[in-house]
Amino acid sequence: DAGVTQSPTHLIKTRGQQVTLRCSPKSGHDTVSWYQQALGQGPQFIFQYYEEEERQRGNFPDRFSGHQFPNYSSELNVNALLLGDSALYLCASSLRHMGALGNEQFFGPGTRLTVL
Amino acid sequence: AQKVTQAQTEISVVEKEDVTLDCVYETRDTTYYLFWYKQPPSGELVFLIRRNSFDEQNEISGRYSWNFQKSTSSFNFTITASQVVDSAVYFCALDPFSGGYNKLIFGAGTRLAVHP
Repeated sequence: DAGVTQSPTHLIKTRGQQVTLRCSPKSGHDTVSWYQQALGQGPQFIFQYYEEEERQRGNFPDRFSGHQFPNYSSELNVNALLLGDSALYLCASSLRHMGALGNEQFFGPGTRLTVL
Repeated sequence: AQKVTQAQTEISVVEKEDVTLDCVYETRDTTYYLFWYKQPPSGELVFLIRRNSFDEQNEISGRYSWNFQKSTSSFNFTITASQVVDSAVYFCALDPFSGGYNKLIFGAGTRLAVHP
């Protein structure tokens, strides 16, 4: 049973470029959340997707957008990259149909994004 | 405001010592969940425990134990007889009731180094 997978593992971009990160949820899960973890910090919630719609969003600018596909996989897009976007981007999946509050979120290994 | 504070940035102990990681949270919600996650050097967050706001019973799992006290808004984590494999960054997280879709609010983490 595959856990949460993310690609790519590492990515180097320059300021102003755009990037797309990908996530496949744990088998059977229907909800995907994205988090940004800057070096030495705790993860910060970006947004959550369920039924192909963004359901909740953290305090991130519109440069951060996402998508969820019918197979529940998800993409995170970041436009006009800034140096401050350098971070570990974590994807987490969960199963919503049993209720959302307190659902355990399973995390992937993350994508390390470096913006030069 | 919803917030999680982990005041201890780094803790260093010698193997077999007991160690307690502190977590203080803030929320106005009466219904919420608290989590502890472990992040080894590989980067993937590993779920340790979940506790809901109505269950203040302490829990023990092997060498791990958790003390939840609503009166002080704390959810502390103790490792008994620490081992080198316990070395990691530990995060406390709050899952507040937020319109039916859960998100995790993480503390800044405590880096635990266990030396032989």
